[in-house]
Amino acid sequence: AQSVSQHNHHVILSEAASLELGCNYSYGGTVNLFWYVQYPGQHLQLLLKYFSGDPLVKGIKGFEAEFIKSKFSFNLRKPSVQWSDTAEYFCAVNGPNFGNEKLTFGTGTRLTIIP
Amino acid sequence: DGGITQSPKYLFRKEGQNVTLSCEQNLNHDAMYWYRQDPGQGLRLIYYSQIVNDFQKGDIAEGYSVSREKKESFPLTVTSAQKNPTAFYLCASTLGTYNEQFFGPGTRLTVL
Repeated sequence: AQSVSQHNHHVILSEAASLELGCNYSYGGTVNLFWYVQYPGQHLQLLLKYFSGDPLVKGIKGFEAEFIKSKFSFNLRKPSVQWSDTAEYFCAVNGPNFGNEKLTFGTGTRLTIIP
Repeated sequence: DGGITQSPKYLFRKEGQNVTLSCEQNLNHDAMYWYRQDPGQGLRLIYYSQIVNDFQKGDIAEGYSVSREKKESFPLTVTSAQKNPTAFYLCASTLGTYNEQFFGPGTRLTVL
């Protein structure tokens, strides 16, 4: 079965620091990759997604992610974080060989930004 | 205002009782999903439905049941057979396979 690993469970950064959150998946074939964010008290919402093409994907609020097929990774980055980025971040994957209609989520990374 | 609504926001249940969580969407999406979110475990798929009158088990379907009688509605029943039902339940929908899933605000269920 497909699995997604997010090794950083809780990350604490100061404002203006750079951010990189790790995401690794287990399947070697074609995959679609997503990052979702859950701000305190708000709905889970999509940050960005990768289906094909340019492996560097830009999303909302200055976030970007890079798909590195050889490393089975889709790490999330932001050059300078703000206090408002405090949230929980989830990586997710689906693919044609293990159910395009279903998403498999990682366990999430809680990000705390200190003003 | 389009979106997904879940009710109630908070729900308390006594052990041994069944309870039904509501999920409604007015996005005209074909597929709907139920997830369970527990601290440190991410989101785990309970059931999903790609079309009216059809649904499939997800990874943790035991102790849960669903129905899909209307396109816009996908209620989840947490039965007394669910051993550890206290959790945050999220409903989602999507237009199609290559589209993002949209999520509702969630229902927090506590079993007393």
